[in-house]
Amino acid sequence: DVKVTQSSRYLVKRTGEKVFLECVQDMDHENMFWYRQDPGLGLRLIYFSYDVKMKEKGDIPEGYSVSREKKERFSLILESASTNQTSMYLCASSSPGPEYNEQFFGPGTRLTVL
Amino acid sequence: QKEVEQNSGPLSVPEGAIASLNCTYSDRVSQSFFWYRQYSGKSPELIMSIYSNGDKEDGRFTAQLNKASQYVSLLIRDSQPSDSATYLCAVDLGGYQKVTFGTGTKLQVIP
Repeated sequence: DVKVTQSSRYLVKRTGEKVFLECVQDMDHENMFWYRQDPGLGLRLIYFSYDVKMKEKGDIPEGYSVSREKKERFSLILESASTNQTSMYLCASSSPGPEYNEQFFGPGTRLTVL
Repeated sequence: QKEVEQNSGPLSVPEGAIASLNCTYSDRVSQSFFWYRQYSGKSPELIMSIYSNGDKEDGRFTAQLNKASQYVSLLIRDSQPSDSATYLCAVDLGGYQKVTFGTGTKLQVIP
């Protein structure tokens, strides 16, 4: 079974703090993704990576950065957390083929910024 | 703007009935289509993927794809209360190796 794990299920941080969210997958997937999910807005792509040290901006990258130093690990960084970054953060991974674009999600991190 | 659209619901069906969930998308070149189930407070779980026009069946689930009409649907036969969840449609809107998600349809199966 594909397994995607995230470092925390719940996280509470203060405005201005630097926040690290970590994601690890054990299926040797090339592609990894970070989304945030908000009521009424659905899943929105923040960043994705299709290879080690490669990253591409998604639809809402502002205020976020990412790091992928190893194939299995993809980190999301909030450089200076703000209250509007309170959300559910979901990591996913996928393989380029043959069942390409099938994404498997981690359990999510619910981040609250006070 | 490229979009994936779903009716937010809730869609209420009695136990044992067929639930029909629909999704339209805006990009004619899309090649891969997915249905995810998401229980409240949990992360999305992949239940079906479909890449070719027509029907694809897996147990009680059938995905139907019509690329000409830019329409993908999910049928759930013999609906159970445990099927009550939000169902997300995802489509690759011409983007390589990434997909766009709809906002989901909430399904309620009434015992």
